[in-house]
Amino acid sequence: GAVVSQHPSWVICKSGTSVKIECRSLDFQATTMFWYRQFPKQSLMLMATSNEGSKATYEQGVEKDKFLINHASLTLSTLTVTSAHPEDSSFYICSARDAGIGPRNTEAFFGQGTRLTVV
Amino acid sequence: AQSVTQLDSQVPVFEEAPVELRCNYSSSVSVYLFWYVQYPNQGLQLLLKYLSGSTLVESINGFEAEFNKSQTSFHLRKPSVHISDTAEYFCAVSGNTPLVFGKGTRLSVIA
Repeated sequence: GAVVSQHPSWVICKSGTSVKIECRSLDFQATTMFWYRQFPKQSLMLMATSNEGSKATYEQGVEKDKFLINHASLTLSTLTVTSAHPEDSSFYICSARDAGIGPRNTEAFFGQGTRLTVV
Repeated sequence: AQSVTQLDSQVPVFEEAPVELRCNYSSSVSVYLFWYVQYPNQGLQLLLKYLSGSTLVESINGFEAEFNKSQTSFHLRKPSVHISDTAEYFCAVSGNTPLVFGKGTRLSVIA
């Protein structure tokens, strides 16, 4: 099956610093990747849709200057949490869709998630 | 717009008993339906999906779900659960858009 690798799996940072999370599709190309945020015991909330070679599309209420998304290649998207604060502590998950033709492009493949703790 | 409702936030069940996790969706277009499982501090793993064809779909570990268009449902069932099935289960819907998730159902299997 398709593999999406997310790194790091967990990170602790000081308030005011920035943290970068990487999402890679290892065995397929993904023109579109999605970034989700999950609070404890809650569902996944879509933050933004990352499009290769163009600007990301952010969901309402998500600060684009705080959550910087870059999708520079067909296999890599990054999410940078800038000037992190304790309220940004959460579980961040990326997913990617296969850009190829066929039923596999209907499915989203998920990374293992990144636990961010801001102290 | 699409939405997903998972009617039960928590479902406790004894080991080897059957279980059903309910999922209803709304959409104005044709949809694809998914069930994902999440173990603690991990990402999501696809359990099964409905794209087209047979309305009954099965996973390799004994789960099945049936797409019911008239009732806009995609309930997940397993005839006999194991301790290892304890996890959070998310139902999701997609047209040609990002996945929209339900709020999740916590399945707790009791020995």
